[in-house]
Amino acid sequence: RKEVEQDPGPFNVPEGATVAFNCTYSNSASQSFFWYRQDCRKEPKLLMSVYSSGNEDGRFTAQLNRASQYISLLIRDSKLSDSATYLCVVNIPGYALNFGKGTSLLVTP
Amino acid sequence: NAGVTQTPKFQVLKTGQSMTLQCAQDMNHEYMSWYRQDPGMGLRLIHYSVGAGITDQGEVPNGYNVSRSTTEDFPLRLLSAAPSQTSVYFCASRPLAGRPRGGEQYFGPGTRLTVT
Repeated sequence: RKEVEQDPGPFNVPEGATVAFNCTYSNSASQSFFWYRQDCRKEPKLLMSVYSSGNEDGRFTAQLNRASQYISLLIRDSKLSDSATYLCVVNIPGYALNFGKGTSLLVTP
Repeated sequence: NAGVTQTPKFQVLKTGQSMTLQCAQDMNHEYMSWYRQDPGMGLRLIHYSVGAGITDQGEVPNGYNVSRSTTEDFPLRLLSAAPSQTSVYFCASRPLAGRPRGGEQYFGPGTRLTVT
């Protein structure tokens, strides 16, 4: 079983829509959680860290459910520029980070 | 700060050739790592290091060597290139202090490697 699993999508949504991605992780000892964004043929970049109490950054909201071992990302009022692949990231024992395969989002006019 | 730099950006090798992918960071991060990214496979960890002189294997280490003689540099060596090593390689670094198990990870721009 892959340690970090995501629905690959693609999610096609119109501008202005709200879209949510989920991610599950298998290692209950994981302590760090992130969402990264990757544009086509570019390097991944941090979108936001995920904290136990949930956190928000503008149109983006991240939630963590430790009991069920899943992480979510909600994007409100989608923009064309939000089109990208969103990577769920969890630390594995030690300091290495384990990346999900990513969820592809396409926002259309 | 230049952040994480990688050279070369593109490389074509013949089967059996060896080469070194260079990676450097100027943020004084303790942790550095190498990933490969293939279509449908996501990012897979090759090797990582938590400090100078300390390296360890990730998920897919076979065919690759690393060393960490300084905090700044973490080269990846392909010993005898094979077509299966055709991929995009990303180097990354992160601080170990901060949040549980360290802070944000920064990536270099990647090296696109083709082995014929």
